[in-house]
Amino acid sequence: DAGITQSPRYKITETGRQVTLMCHQTWSHSYMFWYRQDLGHGLRLIYYSAAADITDKGEVPDGYVVSRSKTENFPLTLESATRSQTSVYFCASSLKTYEQYFGPGTRLTVT
Amino acid sequence: AQSVSQHNHHVILSEAASLELGCNYSYGGTVNLFWYVQYPGQHLQLLLKYFSGDPLVKGIKGFEAEFIKSKFSFNLRKPSVQWSDTAEYFCAVNARDTGRRALTFGSGTRLQVQP
Repeated sequence: DAGITQSPRYKITETGRQVTLMCHQTWSHSYMFWYRQDLGHGLRLIYYSAAADITDKGEVPDGYVVSRSKTENFPLTLESATRSQTSVYFCASSLKTYEQYFGPGTRLTVT
Repeated sequence: AQSVSQHNHHVILSEAASLELGCNYSYGGTVNLFWYVQYPGQHLQLLLKYFSGDPLVKGIKGFEAEFIKSKFSFNLRKPSVQWSDTAEYFCAVNARDTGRRALTFGSGTRLQVQP
């Protein structure tokens, strides 16, 4: 049971480059979420999706793009990475209940 | 929009000490409440949750939390901590009556248990 996976687990990129973080879940959960975790801020919601082709902004969406063509995948793209986007990114999913299940995270460093 | 406050940012306890971590939220409607734990280098795991019913909820690893609606609080407790409880603890709230599924997290409390 793979659950929810994220790739890559670690990524270093340069300012201005585009980078895509992948999230894949094997549970067929309808809801998927992207959070970023920064010291002193806890987790903040970037984008979420209620189903394939349905996405909505969260608290900190600027500079990010998401898509969800298939239920199991929810990639997050940084169109032009900035140093302020250095963070740990967590993907999560949930089914009908409100509890969310988190992936292992991607540590992104923008130089 | 709702917000969540965790007033204890860093707590240091000795093994066998009792633990209480505070969590307050600001939302006047119906809420779902959660505590998540993040062990060093790992992803978030659900400790316990409250949706409705008995305001005292029990979770995994001997943790419990009490929902006090009048105080907008959902404090986490454990009678006797162990070194293995060293982790970061996050309180989270979902405003159920909005229909939104997203969680709002507190900034976290880092618990350090000394042997």
